[in-house]
Amino acid sequence: GESVGLHLPTLSVQEGDNSIINCAYSNSASDYFIWYKQESGKGPQFIIDIRSNMDKRQGQRVTVLLNKTVKHLSLQIAATQPGDSAVYFCAENNYGQNFVFGPGTRLSVLP
Amino acid sequence: SAVISQKPSRDICQRGTSLTIQCQVDSQVTMMFWYRQQPGQSLTLIATANQGSEATYESGFVIDKFPISRPNLTFSTLTVSNMSPEDSSIYLCSVGTGGIGTEAFFGQGTRLTVV
Repeated sequence: GESVGLHLPTLSVQEGDNSIINCAYSNSASDYFIWYKQESGKGPQFIIDIRSNMDKRQGQRVTVLLNKTVKHLSLQIAATQPGDSAVYFCAENNYGQNFVFGPGTRLSVLP
Repeated sequence: SAVISQKPSRDICQRGTSLTIQCQVDSQVTMMFWYRQQPGQSLTLIATANQGSEATYESGFVIDKFPISRPNLTFSTLTVSNMSPEDSSIYLCSVGTGGIGTEAFFGQGTRLTVV
């Protein structure tokens, strides 16, 4: 069957390099953002989140940057590994109960 | 966190029939949602499943096509009615455990193919 993200934009990086995935969000009033990772045949998995009162947040090997002026989010993955290959979605939340998802980017890690 | 189980994980159905997807959570949760992910695309919210009352549907989705039940705080069902090939998608259950503005967890999804 067709894989998730078959027609999505693809970012290809060499194993060990850093990856940067970008996302433009739609609602200037959104106050909470999450990056999700989705592997084939699985549901989205939480990676990292950030609130609108912050512009940077770091996790283990991942960093999220938020630029509210231009409504832009980025996800940086350090020392990209083969297990990082997946589709990545940003999601925004505006004091509501649900999330609005961005279009997604497929990350392909080359050996 | 929450562990979410969806059944079935996949199915192939004849057009004109209906399929009910179940979502079971291992703990009581305040918010439950149903999303659709069409092939090669992002996730789109279908509706919020409200415990004890009718679901709240997003624009473009109607109760007659996607009836939803939520009898308690750990379980919900989504029915895809009178299916056509255009309904072929992944359907995902999502829950929120911490209130507004907190992380949402997802089930593994139900991959539906309508022939």
